[in-house]
Amino acid sequence: DAKTTQPNSMESNEEEPVHLPCNHSTISGTDYIHWYRQLPSQGPEYVIHGLTSNVNNRMASLAIAEDRKSSTLILHRATLRDAAVYYCSYAPNAGGTSYGKLTFGQGTILTVHP
Amino acid sequence: SAVISQKPSRDICQRGTSLTIQCQVDSQVTMMFWYRQQPGQSLTLIATANQGSEATYESGFVIDKFPISRPNLTFSTLTVSNMSPEDSSIYLCGTCGGQPQHFGDGTRLSIL
Repeated sequence: DAKTTQPNSMESNEEEPVHLPCNHSTISGTDYIHWYRQLPSQGPEYVIHGLTSNVNNRMASLAIAEDRKSSTLILHRATLRDAAVYYCSYAPNAGGTSYGKLTFGQGTILTVHP
Repeated sequence: SAVISQKPSRDICQRGTSLTIQCQVDSQVTMMFWYRQQPGQSLTLIATANQGSEATYESGFVIDKFPISRPNLTFSTLTVSNMSPEDSSIYLCGTCGGQPQHFGDGTRLSIL
């Protein structure tokens, strides 16, 4: 079965960039890569998604390797509020939309130091 | 973005009993999903709730254990049947309709 793999944990200092890696070498060529984050006692929050090209939004950037076997979520300036579990996940391409059922990786616990 | 409410937010139940969890969305959505998050683990998809037809279950999950209803485009229920301690988890509802999937804050279920 296709799956994603991530480091169990990472640490960063406030105001510094954070690069969260994800390996997804076995996903389908048409699967979309999604990133979510989860704070304690809350449901996952959407961060960003992409297919082949790098993507930017107000929260983060997503860099997808040319061979699509890996991707990196980039938080440009970490804040204390970015401390969370970050999940790399994927969703099938369903009729041109990427917003279908999600398969989550195990997640990376990000700790941000003041 | 859709606002999702789940009820109850938490419960403690006796083994052998059943509990129905409700998911209410403040707008119509085409797709609704139910996930399970076991303690300290990631989310696992249980099933896709289909309006007007039977839910589509993922491998390892069956209708007899997790019956699901979806009577309209804003509401769904998940029942956890004949509960055992292994069912102690967080159960989350996810919805999407032309936008990224949003989640409720989950139902924290403990089985004694």
